[in-house]
Amino acid sequence: AQSVTQLDSQVPVFEEAPVELRCNYSSSVSVYLFWYVQYPNQGLQLLLKYLSGSTLVESINGFEAEFNKSQTSFHLRKPSVHISDTAEYFCAVSRSSASKIIFGSGTRLSIRP
Amino acid sequence: ETGVTQSPTHLIKTRGQQVTLRCSSQSGHNTVSWYQQALGQGPQFIFQYYREEENGRGNFPPRFSGLQFPNYSSELNVNALELDDSALYLCASSLDGGGETQYFGPGTRLLVL
Repeated sequence: AQSVTQLDSQVPVFEEAPVELRCNYSSSVSVYLFWYVQYPNQGLQLLLKYLSGSTLVESINGFEAEFNKSQTSFHLRKPSVHISDTAEYFCAVSRSSASKIIFGSGTRLSIRP
Repeated sequence: ETGVTQSPTHLIKTRGQQVTLRCSSQSGHNTVSWYQQALGQGPQFIFQYYREEENGRGNFPPRFSGLQFPNYSSELNVNALELDDSALYLCASSLDGGGETQYFGPGTRLLVL
């Protein structure tokens, strides 16, 4: 069975500072990895995904995540955050042969001016 | 391209009642998954429908049931509502079942009194 651990429930950072949101997963088989973002009172939006190939994946708004198989991690990073990045971020895992996505408990990113 | 839509946006019910939530999948997608997101938690998988058949189910009791129509839209029905059913219900659409990338709708917020 797969599981996802997001090590930080809240991460406060100053605007224009770098940020890393940590995610570790457990699985005995190959997995797909995702980061979803949820803005206040909204549904989930796909931020980026790793299916195969290059271990470094990027989003259109400056976030990136690196798949590290040996450390079973998929940490999310951004070199300089903006107020508009304030949201809840969910790391998730799935398998091609399974129907469900398993989500972590989420990390609330709060940006201070 | 039309995204995933859900209705209604908000709903208030009393304990013991029944509720039906609706979802229209993204254009071209034949798979719909339903998730329950309790306050402060990550989404939990309820079930998935692929080409009108159930294609996987999470740890939810039988009073949670679903349906997918020939146009791939879907319904989630919950009978005998309990207070703990209060949550954001998210619908996600994808292509050809499995755990590949799922795109989420804005959700229906259900409050059970």
